[in-house]
Amino acid sequence: EIVLTQSPGTLSLSPGERATLSCRASQRVSSNYLAWYQQKPGQAPRLLMTGASSRATGIPDRFSGSGSGTDFTLTISRLEPEDFAVYYCQQYGSSPPLTFGGGTKVEIK
Amino acid sequence: QVQLVQSGAEVKKPGSSVKVSCMSSGGTFNSYTISWVRQAPGQGLEWMGKIIPVLSVANYAQRFQGRVTITADTSTSTVYMELTSLRSEDTAVYYCARGGGRVWLDPWGQGTLVTVSS
Repeated sequence: EIVLTQSPGTLSLSPGERATLSCRASQRVSSNYLAWYQQKPGQAPRLLMTGASSRATGIPDRFSGSGSGTDFTLTISRLEPEDFAVYYCQQYGSSPPLTFGGGTKVEIK
Repeated sequence: QVQLVQSGAEVKKPGSSVKVSCMSSGGTFNSYTISWVRQAPGQGLEWMGKIIPVLSVANYAQRFQGRVTITADTSTSTVYMELTSLRSEDTAVYYCARGGGRVWLDPWGQGTLVTVSS
């Protein structure tokens, strides 16, 4: 089973700042099959990125993903008020099981 | 466009079972996989298992083996997740989502809160 470790646990930033979220895998993620999700309180997760770097439909271009192998990054270039949420990475290259990272909370400073 | 609609909240006693449904509309139900993911209060996401409805083939996360059963009814485009021997630690929001295998999860159902309490 691939273990995903996200860091930091919490990111305190102001609107307009850049957010950099990390996701590290315990072994290589097959075909870079890594997704990112955003979750707001009381809502289901929302797909942001697939294949490590492809934005899902309707996701604004201030969101970008990068990385390969075992190290992946989600970057939000300029935080908008609606971007404050919890972000999860998930690998789907080696399944079952699908595995998720523990999440990074992006909060308003 | 695929939409997944789940059944309503449940309150269960320890030791009992719960069965949550997930009905799909739009898309071609038989052509994709449905996964179940749960989220305990204030915690992260945990994948439980998946099913390919057209084949009725299900796979489960090891920690739920023997306690969870995922089934599908292709005539109503509905997938079910049954969890038995409930304990307080099973209190969580349970989500269904299209995907699993080597496919990302999208879209997601709205979630079903299952509360296990005596």
